[in-house]
Amino acid sequence: DAGVIQSPRHEVTEMGQEVTLRCKPISGHDYLFWYRQTMMRGLELLIYFNNNVPIDDSGMPEDRFSAKMPNASFSTLKIQPSEPRDSAVYFCASSLATAFPEAFFGQGTRLTVV
Amino acid sequence: AQKVTQAQTEISVVEKEDVTLDCVYETRDTTYYLFWYKQPPSGELVFLIRRNSFDEQNEISGRYSWNFQKSTSSFNFTITASQVVDSAVYFCALSEASYGNNRLAFGKGNQVVVIP
Repeated sequence: DAGVIQSPRHEVTEMGQEVTLRCKPISGHDYLFWYRQTMMRGLELLIYFNNNVPIDDSGMPEDRFSAKMPNASFSTLKIQPSEPRDSAVYFCASSLATAFPEAFFGQGTRLTVV
Repeated sequence: AQKVTQAQTEISVVEKEDVTLDCVYETRDTTYYLFWYKQPPSGELVFLIRRNSFDEQNEISGRYSWNFQKSTSSFNFTITASQVVDSAVYFCALSEASYGNNRLAFGKGNQVVVIP
C-alpha cells in the first residue's frame, strides 16, 4: 500500500489567500485525522472523520478552517483567508478501525503564509 | 480529558549509550491505548508501537524496548546501544477506547541527539 498521501508537500502563500491541502488515506481505513504541528503547540488534532462523516471538529481553530471528506479516498483541509499564524506543518493520518487505533501519517504539508 | 507528559525536551547521548524516554499519561478510561512515534529530521511521523491498557507485558523489538506500568501510569521507551540514525523526536501518545474514536493525544516529544 502506498500509505497516506498528502499534497502539496510545501505551500507558500500570501496572507489572505485561500489554501487547500489534500489527503488520500490508506485504502480501507475508517478514520481520517487532520493534525497541525507547531513548535509552540506541538501536535494538535484539528478534526477527524469516521466513515467520511466529521465526528469532532472542536480542534479547528477558527471558522477560517474547514475540512471535507467527500468519499473514502479523499479529504481536504481549507483555510480561507490564510494568516501568518497558520504557518505550520499539517499532517493527515488514517487508522483502520476502533480495534486498531494506530494512526499512519502522511509526510505532511509545510505551509508558510507570508 | 486525556493527557500525555514527556518531561525531558532534549536528550543528548554518545553513540552506543542507552537512552530512556519517559512518558506519563492521565486518563479516566479503563480501556486505552498507548503509542510511540518517531519523527526523524525528514519530518514524517513513523508508528513504532501500540500497547493496550490490559496488556502490561513489556516488549522488545531489536534495540527498542518498552516498559508499561499501569501503577505509575507510565509507558517508557528505551533505545539500547544508540546509533546516529536514532536521532529524532520521539512522541508518546494516548487513545481512549471508550468513545471508539481512535483520536490520539500526543505529548510534546523528546528530541534525541546521538553524538557519533
